[in-house]
Amino acid sequence: NAGVTQTPKFRILKIGQSMTLQCTQDMNHNYMYWYRQDPGMGLKLIYYSVGAGITDKGEVPNGYNVSRSTTEDFPLRLELAAPSQTSVYFCASSPQGSQPQHFGDGTRLSIL
Amino acid sequence: GESVGLHLPTLSVQEGDNSIINCAYSNSASDYFIWYKQESGKGPQFIIDIRSNMDKRQGQRVTVLLNKTVKHLSLQIAATQPGDSAVYFCAENPRRGANSKLTFGKGITLSVRP
Repeated sequence: NAGVTQTPKFRILKIGQSMTLQCTQDMNHNYMYWYRQDPGMGLKLIYYSVGAGITDKGEVPNGYNVSRSTTEDFPLRLELAAPSQTSVYFCASSPQGSQPQHFGDGTRLSIL
Repeated sequence: GESVGLHLPTLSVQEGDNSIINCAYSNSASDYFIWYKQESGKGPQFIIDIRSNMDKRQGQRVTVLLNKTVKHLSLQIAATQPGDSAVYFCAENPRRGANSKLTFGKGITLSVRP
């Protein structure tokens, strides 16, 4: 199993551009999550999903959108990139809520 | 507000010594706790977890202790090795039920001296 796969690994955007961060998992997990991690800080939850067709906001959802059309995929969309969105983005999945989350290796995003 | 925090931002230990990483949590309703390890350039990796009906759980070279009275969580690493150098995060599940999700602390850097 590949686990949680994120693409791209690195990206530089200009202010106002849009992009989609891809996340896929092959563990048949119901729950999927998007976090951002700023330098020297912990993880902040952006959005999460408890199953296909269901998404909900986390702690810092502004400026982002998600969709969950399949169990495997949970893309994160930035519509109008802003410098404040420069961060490392991690996708994770778990079978249920109170169980260990499995993380991808992150997407490093810089917005200039 | 509710939060999960770590007492020290960095910890330096001698190779071969035992390491103890501490974490305080503020939500007495939290029922599930996890420790993660994050190496440079990688995503967090699950180390060990514990539920609130336990006060100790052991893994391979690691032990997690939970003190619900003082809302304190600790991770003990036996015979610390250079490969243990990383950032360690504690996380709590502050909400019971199917839609529960984790709240992460800021992390502590463990540096192992040769």
